[in-house]
Amino acid sequence: DTEVTQTPKHLVMGMTNKKSLKCEQHMGHRAMYWYKQKAKKPPELMFVYSYEKLSINESVPSRFSPECPNSSLLNLHLHALQPEDSALYLCASSHERTRTGSYEQYFGPGTRLTVT
Amino acid sequence: ELKVEQNPLFLSMQEGKNYTIYCNYSTTSDRLYWYRQDPGKSLESLFVLLSNGAVKQEGRLMASLDTKARLSTLHITAAVHDLSATYFCAVKSGGSNYKLTFGKGTLLTVNP
Repeated sequence: DTEVTQTPKHLVMGMTNKKSLKCEQHMGHRAMYWYKQKAKKPPELMFVYSYEKLSINESVPSRFSPECPNSSLLNLHLHALQPEDSALYLCASSHERTRTGSYEQYFGPGTRLTVT
Repeated sequence: ELKVEQNPLFLSMQEGKNYTIYCNYSTTSDRLYWYRQDPGKSLESLFVLLSNGAVKQEGRLMASLDTKARLSTLHITAAVHDLSATYFCAVKSGGSNYKLTFGKGTLLTVNP
């Protein structure tokens, strides 16, 4: 299984709502990532978890709250978002250590988020 | 701070023609990736280049890495319409195994 899954595919939320994005992988990867991608731009790294511990937070506003309940799951909790947070949110995973050192990241299909 | 520059940013080419996308980066790195993204879709990993002189080929695409020149190329041979997509290069940033700095992407359109 070389797939990263994300739910939901689309999400529309108001600025006062609380919602969560979910990501799952069964490749045995121990590093998981959240990226944000605006239209016609490259992905921007938000968070990295390594062995279920937060390893990198790229100064993301606190209205985004990541959680890694176990090695296969990654959540992104959303609260009081702004319209400018509308974007494609991508989850990725990679091995934490590899024989080749590639750390190749496998991306999920993304959640298209619209904040109204 | 690592900077990654891709060029061209837009490429319109005819089917059957050859072309090259360039990816320059500003500081030493030992890992470079090429990804493809179709409109509204996720990123698909194409190539991982780990050493100077590395060359990888898949179908009509060939990627190479020159770490001394801090340059990677993605060469397209005899383009077909199915190759139309945005292509990103990404370079490992600093000492982290996880952080990648992406180029702005090259929007490739292959016309019949």
